[in-house]
Amino acid sequence: GESVGLHLPTLSVQEGDNSIINCAYSNSASDYFIWYKQESGKGPQFIIDIRSNMDKRQGQRVTVLLNKTVKHLSLQIAATQPGDSAVYFCAEAGMDTGRRALTFGSGTRLQVQP
Amino acid sequence: DAGITQSPRHKVTETGTPVTLRCHQTENHRYMYWYRQDPGHGLRLIHYSYGVKDTDKGEVSDGYSVSRSKTEDFLLTLESATSSQTSVYFCAISAGTGNLRTEAFFGQGTRLTVV
Repeated sequence: GESVGLHLPTLSVQEGDNSIINCAYSNSASDYFIWYKQESGKGPQFIIDIRSNMDKRQGQRVTVLLNKTVKHLSLQIAATQPGDSAVYFCAEAGMDTGRRALTFGSGTRLQVQP
Repeated sequence: DAGITQSPRHKVTETGTPVTLRCHQTENHRYMYWYRQDPGHGLRLIHYSYGVKDTDKGEVSDGYSVSRSKTEDFLLTLESATSSQTSVYFCAISAGTGNLRTEAFFGQGTRLTVV
């Protein structure tokens, strides 16, 4: 697999704690947002998505919050586990005519301490 | 990895040589993308395709070309490789109908080194 040594902001949490990863976006026309997880040596893996007509969406142990007023997205991971250690990216797609390509943030590294 | 295969997985090439990376999907998804990933930049879109023979440029398309002659294959070509194109390249696919946006699934990546 492939990986990239990224100089990223890092969030370090204890196993069992809740994690909150934040993302700011700049395109006010964005209407679709995704969180991806990238483990070392792998491609990004879909975690959860949210559309702009929602402000909260929950999955299994994860919650995404969207605040369109301040263009802010967050990913909350409940009861963080060592397997959650990875780089997390937010991505957005804008209100263009069928492009459907995602614009990615620069990522946050989550380190879970046992 | 959602039926996406990238080849080769690793390649070292010399400056000035042409290089072609291949992405093959078995999902019959309409949309295919090529991204590159570099330290400090996250993933950046190079080119994408919205159907056979239908392609468009992304934000970092200079020095790259693409072709899609079949639904399942999307080729990325570096016409004359430069050291600045040393990177990890990811292919992605997505479905979606009309204006509905859907998640993109990614391949395992190709590490390209230009010396």
